Amino acid sequence: KQEVTQIPAALSVPEGENLVLNCSFTDSAIYNLQWFRQDPGKGLTSLLLIQSSQREQTSGRLNASLDKSSGRSTLYIAASQPGDSATYLCAVRMDSSYKLIFGSGTRLLVRP
Amino acid sequence: EAGVAQSPRYKIIEKRQSVAFWCNPISGHATLYWYQQILGQGPKLLIQFQNNGVVDDSQLPKDRFSAERLKGVDSTLKIQPAKLEDSAVYLCASSPLGGQGYTFGSGTRLTVV
Repeated sequence: KQEVTQIPAALSVPEGENLVLNCSFTDSAIYNLQWFRQDPGKGLTSLLLIQSSQREQTSGRLNASLDKSSGRSTLYIAASQPGDSATYLCAVRMDSSYKLIFGSGTRLLVRP
Repeated sequence: EAGVAQSPRYKIIEKRQSVAFWCNPISGHATLYWYQQILGQGPKLLIQFQNNGVVDDSQLPKDRFSAERLKGVDSTLKIQPAKLEDSAVYLCASSPLGGQGYTFGSGTRLTVV
């Protein structure tokens, strides 16, 4: 049974810092991995999607990497801003299903 | 392109009452999902429809939860009777065939008292 874990559960950093969020999964037979952002009272916004054959994806100040064999992904946020404050969720999709299996998220606070 | 629409945004009910949530997916998306997100946890899939057929309902508590997707478009999720532990945000999402390009709605926050 696939399990997805995110560390840390919460993170508070001063504005301008570079930071890394971690995601690990127990079953490497994934189809893809996706990072989402969730703001309070809102739905989920997809940030980056990495196919199982890819090593990384970049969008603006965000970079996500995937090491399928070790069951790990990281989300790197450069030059953090207060507007980056949100909960970041990692989700994997298995080969055999459309279902997304989520971690519990990392709650990020960027202090001005 | 309009997003995934959900209603109501909030609902407070007493335990043992019934409640229903509505979702209108993105036009043309064949696959519709209902996820439950308990406070402090990631979303968990309750049920997946492809057109109007159920693909996966393995984590749906079928003794109290039901869902339908008539005509392969809108969907409703019902809870009857509600329990305290059903307090959560219920997220609807849709995707084209193939499962790429998930889009989530803003969710319905249910509080059972």
